[in-house]
Amino acid sequence: GENVEQHPSTLSVQEGDSAVIKCTYSDSASNYFPWYKQELGKRPQLIIDIRSNVGEKKDQRIAVTLNKTAKHFSLHITETQPEDSAVYFCAARDSGYSTLTFGKGTMLLVSP
Amino acid sequence: GAVVSQHPSWVICKSGTSVKIECRSLDFQATTMFWYRQFPKQSLMLMATSNEGSKATYEQGVEKDKFLINHASLTLSTLTVTSAHPEDSSFYICSASPTSGIYNEQFFGPGTRLTVL
Repeated sequence: GENVEQHPSTLSVQEGDSAVIKCTYSDSASNYFPWYKQELGKRPQLIIDIRSNVGEKKDQRIAVTLNKTAKHFSLHITETQPEDSAVYFCAARDSGYSTLTFGKGTMLLVSP
Repeated sequence: GAVVSQHPSWVICKSGTSVKIECRSLDFQATTMFWYRQFPKQSLMLMATSNEGSKATYEQGVEKDKFLINHASLTLSTLTVTSAHPEDSSFYICSASPTSGIYNEQFFGPGTRLTVL
């Protein structure tokens, strides 16, 4: 089955700095890679996703890159704000299944 | 946008009792729903995948007789924790996909906090 590794587990940045979270996956058949943001006690919210036929996708301050050859994808947040503080999860989905495999999460803390 | 609800949002029960959690897709039909368990400061662990009208597929290590899943309609799936024990205390989250397929987004419910005394 799929295995998703996520780093770092915690990330502290100053407001206005950039934050990068990296994930690797094991199954070369995976073709859908969403990123979720989860605030304490709340549901995970999809913030951006990328499909395997695309190398990069951007939405305002958030971007995701995908390297299929190396089997890794990254989340980039620019001009971070305190409200970006949350736990971020990456995930991967195998084309043969509909289940998502999640990384262990990164706790992002943005200090004012 | 697609909305998934869960009920109850939190529940406290005595050890040995059973608890039922409902997951509903409010504005779309969900062929597939998923049940996750999340411990504090940990990731979401998939427990089972339920498909409308058929038996759920459980992940390795999840006791199907303890965690009963029923997906009787395209908008409702239920998870029943039978004979609950304190170690079953956790945050249970469901998600739903509008249709089966490889590119469809999963929409998450708000979660149910279960505390077993």
